[in-house]
Amino acid sequence: AQTVTQSQPEMSVQEAETVTLSCTYDTSESDYYLFWYKQPPSRQMILVIRQEAYKQQNATENRFSVNFQKAAKSFSLKISDSQLGDAAMYFCAFTSGTYKYIFGTGTRLKVLA
Amino acid sequence: DAGVIQSPRHEVTEMGQEVTLRCKPISGHDYLFWYRQTMMRGLELLIYFNNNVPIDDSGMPEDRFSAKMPNASFSTLKIQPSEPRDSAVYFCASSAGGHHQETQYFGPGTRLLVL
Repeated sequence: AQTVTQSQPEMSVQEAETVTLSCTYDTSESDYYLFWYKQPPSRQMILVIRQEAYKQQNATENRFSVNFQKAAKSFSLKISDSQLGDAAMYFCAFTSGTYKYIFGTGTRLKVLA
Repeated sequence: DAGVIQSPRHEVTEMGQEVTLRCKPISGHDYLFWYRQTMMRGLELLIYFNNNVPIDDSGMPEDRFSAKMPNASFSTLKIQPSEPRDSAVYFCASSAGGHHQETQYFGPGTRLLVL
C-alpha cells in the first residue's frame, strides 16, 4: 500500500529564518508526483510546489524548494526567509497518476516574530 | 480564472435534515474530486468524476451520501439524512488534462456543522 508520512506534527521558525518540513512516502511505482499544499487558518488548500518523480532536478518556487531523494523516498520542503504569512498546516501528498491523492497527516508551522 | 467555487461556505443544520453542497470546477478541467477533512481522519477522498462520470466512489461513507455531476461546470454532494458525525470541512477540487493533469486545485471548502 502507498503511504505518506509526516513525522513532525508541529514546527516553529523565527521570522526570516529557514525551516525544513519532512515527508517520506512508500510506493512501488516508478512514475509518480509529489506535492506540498499549505492550509492557512482560512482552511483553503493552496498548492505550494509539485515534483515529478522522473525529474532529478529539485523543484523551486520563489522561497520554497524541495529536496527530493527518490531512492530514500524522501520529499522535504524548505522555506527560506520565513514570513508570518507562512504560518499554516502543510500537507505532503502523493499520486501515481490514478488521480487519487494520498495525504500525510500534516505539519503545523508556527512563525515567530 | 476564478478558481474552484464552492457554496455554501458554512452550513449549520439539524440532524436528519438534507444537506446539499455545491461545486463549480475550474473551466476546462475534466476531473472533479470531493474530499472530507476531519481532525480524526484527516483528508479523505470521497468520490471523483472524469468528464462528468463517477469513476471511483469507494470513499463515500454510506448510502446517505450521494454525488452528481450533471454537466462539466457543476457538481453536488448530498447528505440525506445528515448526522452529527458528518460535521467536517468538505472540499471540492478539480484538475485538467494534459501535462499537469495530476495537479488538483482546491476550492475554499464548506464547513458543515450538524447539530
